[in-house]
Amino acid sequence: QVQLVESGGGVVQPGGSLTLSCAASGFSVNFYSFHWVRQAPGKGLEWVAVITMDGKNTYYTDSVKGRFTISRDTSKNTVFLQMNSLRRDDSALYFCTRVEGTVTSLAHWGPGTLVSVSS
Amino acid sequence: QSALTQPASVSGSPGQSITISCTGARSDVGSFKLVSWFQQHPGKAPRLIISDVTQRPSGVSDRFSGSRSGDTASLTVSGLQAEDEADYYCCAYEHHSASLLFGGGTKLTVL
Repeated sequence: QVQLVESGGGVVQPGGSLTLSCAASGFSVNFYSFHWVRQAPGKGLEWVAVITMDGKNTYYTDSVKGRFTISRDTSKNTVFLQMNSLRRDDSALYFCTRVEGTVTSLAHWGPGTLVSVSS
Repeated sequence: QSALTQPASVSGSPGQSITISCTGARSDVGSFKLVSWFQQHPGKAPRLIISDVTQRPSGVSDRFSGSRSGDTASLTVSGLQAEDEADYYCCAYEHHSASLLFGGGTKLTVL
């Protein structure tokens, strides 16, 4: 069955870096688009980034452009989110999601990994 | 990239129906059929309950339905049950920036 498991979260100082991983099982990442969506404690959902099915196109929310990079490694069947120059307002639970059909059909979600940016 | 507008909370009694609105713009909610709705229970990941404005994924109760009029999408939950108490989020594709926008979320309370 389809499974997504995020890892790599933790506590990091402002200005630091983290790389989140999203390990996929039950399917190949080659054939789907993936989004990262985050949720600050007690707050709503915020879209962060997407990588298209062909792996060639990536798009980001304005607040992370130039700091975050979404990528995938088909040999590891894993999607990544590299986060640099982290700020306190990047603190959130980060979810990896897989599209099923159209771009907003985020049909499969991992449990999330928590990122806390604090000194 | 402005968030979509949802009411902060709605409530209803068991068996009743409620509707949650999601207002955006012509460039997102009002264009294409790229609007989805998600249900999130506390401590859980969101769950897709409506895609493409009106489509229910397999396994989603037919008590959930979606619609759109102009730049406003709506989610209707009929025959309210205690298990429907959760947060609900709309999501739309914004085609100028090729990004996704989420609404601020609506807390549904079943009285």
